[in-house]
Amino acid sequence: SQQGEEDPQALSIQEGENATMNCSYKTSINNLQWYRQNSGRGLVHLILIRSNEREKHSGRLRVTLDTSKKSSSLLITASRAADTASYFCATPFGGNTDKLIFGTGTRLQVFP
Amino acid sequence: DAGVIQSPRHEVTEMGQEVTLRCKPISGHDYLFWYRQTMMRGLELLIYFNNNVPIDDSGMPEDRFSAKMPNASFSTLKIQPSEPRDSAVYFCASSFRTGGSQPQHFGDGTRLSIL
Repeated sequence: SQQGEEDPQALSIQEGENATMNCSYKTSINNLQWYRQNSGRGLVHLILIRSNEREKHSGRLRVTLDTSKKSSSLLITASRAADTASYFCATPFGGNTDKLIFGTGTRLQVFP
Repeated sequence: DAGVIQSPRHEVTEMGQEVTLRCKPISGHDYLFWYRQTMMRGLELLIYFNNNVPIDDSGMPEDRFSAKMPNASFSTLKIQPSEPRDSAVYFCASSFRTGGSQPQHFGDGTRLSIL
């Protein structure tokens, strides 16, 4: 079973708008990662946020983590058509820090 | 760096045939992961290696699947005999030091179709 569940499953917006994706997970974690997958390509790591961090920025990306609610959000500001992709959250699996469990993903479509 | 390299990119074969997927991890990475992605089940971890040693193969679906890592720069995932339900995209990923607390770097996958 998946540890992370993304919401929404799909999101369509216009260029320039902000896109927000949410991830909920089930067990305690020491970090949470976000990945992007373009059609026909492998996953690309975007950002890692540790359990003692509440917010992290990378360019147009802003990630928040609320360990009390077991949830995280990924905000993409001023979206571009090139941001069209699927976005996944991933967390370590239980007590095994070697393994990542990926969520179901959010498919983002940005229209020019 | 060249990134994780997988071959072939596409494979179409008939049921019952042996399939071998190949992966070259990023140089210096000590963890290697094999994943399978389908619409129904999402991204599933099949097996992972640390320093060329298989650590956890609990995700390998059946005995028809096997994986090896003979050296730090090469790994294979073999399916024998293949079945139509094995059709999926198979990804290889590598990371440095640990797979759960460091970024994983993915190849572009092998799209496998079993007829």
